[in-house]
Formats: sequence, C-alpha cells, structure tokens
Amino acid sequence: SQQGEEDPQALSIQEGENATMNCSYKTSINNLQWYRQNSGRGLVHLILIRSNEREKHSGRLRVTLDTSKKSSSLLITASRAADTASYFCATDPLDSKLTFGKGITLSVRP
Amino acid sequence: EPEVTQTPSHQVTQMGQEVILRCVPISNHLYFYWYRQILGQKVEFLVSFYNNEISEKSEIFDDQFSVERPDGSNFTLKIRSTKLEDSAMYFCASRLAGSTDTQYFGPGTRLTVL
Repeated sequence: SQQGEEDPQALSIQEGENATMNCSYKTSINNLQWYRQNSGRGLVHLILIRSNEREKHSGRLRVTLDTSKKSSSLLITASRAADTASYFCATDPLDSKLTFGKGITLSVRP
Repeated sequence: EPEVTQTPSHQVTQMGQEVILRCVPISNHLYFYWYRQILGQKVEFLVSFYNNEISEKSEIFDDQFSVERPDGSNFTLKIRSTKLEDSAMYFCASRLAGSTDTQYFGPGTRLTVL
C-alpha cells in the first residue's frame, strides 16, 4: 500500500498568503514528519508530529494530525519567496524506516 | 548545529564500475539509513543499520549493494557493479535512538552512471 500521499501536487500562491498542504496515509504510524527539498538539494527536516499529538507549531509552520482519518496537514503562514520548494510528508510506521510521498511543489510568487 | 555530511556531492561513473558513497552521521546517533531518489520520483528507503548490522533492507537493496561502518564515524554505501538505473540522488540519514526521533538527512550524493 502507498503511504504518505500528498495533495495538491503543485501549489502556486502569492507572497504573504498561507499555504496548506495535505498528506494521507494508509497504515498505522508512530509519527509523521514533513521535509522540504529545494531543487536538486537535500532534505531538510521541518517538523515531526507523534501519533498521540494532534497539532504542533514551529515558527510559521503548523502541522495537524488526524489518526482517525489517517491524514496530516502542513500550513505555512505568511509565505515568502524563499519557501518555494518541494514538501514531502514521510510516515514512520512502527519499524523506523520512512516512507515518503511524491511531494508537493510549492511556488511562492514575489 | 551537528549535521550529516556526505561525499562526494556528485559522482560520475561508467556502467559496471564500483562506487562507494560516504556519509558521516551525527556523532552520537545510533541508527543509520540510506535512501535514494531517482530524478522526479519519490525518496525510497534502501537500508537501515544499527549496532553494526543491517536491521532492514528494501527490495532495491540487492546483492550489488552493501553497507559498512568501517570506523566510529563513517557509514558507506557500496554499489559493486553499477547499472544505468542506479543513477539517482543517494541520501544518508541518521537518528539518535528510538522510533520517535527525527531522521536527519545529509545533502545527498548525485550518482550518474554512464
């Protein structure tokens, strides 16, 4: 089964707007993590939310987790051009390897 | 802030050649991983390593692949006889301990097989 499927696949917004990205998964998880990847570069860890948590904040990031719906959302508030990147959710079932989705391409127009 | 480092950043090799990709995980971390990302595709798990042995590997990680922790700091991925389809970005990651800890990724090595 596929884990960590994000939607939309691509998102284009104006600087200053909020960006909401969603992730769905199929099996039980220990935690869910969001990563950012600038074009051709490495994966930068953004935030981890544990299965017993419902919401978490880090700076301009807000992550929610609904284990009953097997879904998570990442909200970036007051977006900046520098937020332009691909965003991935990665699920950690109970065996520690991460399963990534295909990612969401976020473009923030100045 | 400690970080995972990888060398080289870009490796070009001929089909059939052996390559070794190197990683230095964060120093007090106990769990180590290799992932790969073929251009335009998902990041895929290859192998996890703990306590000096492989703890899990994916179907991709066949007999052509091996990992080693030759000393207290390096973690290597060897591909014995590269194929064209091995061309990808290879990421090393490490985790302190416990399945609720964050996996920190290195910047990746871009492997191009000609």
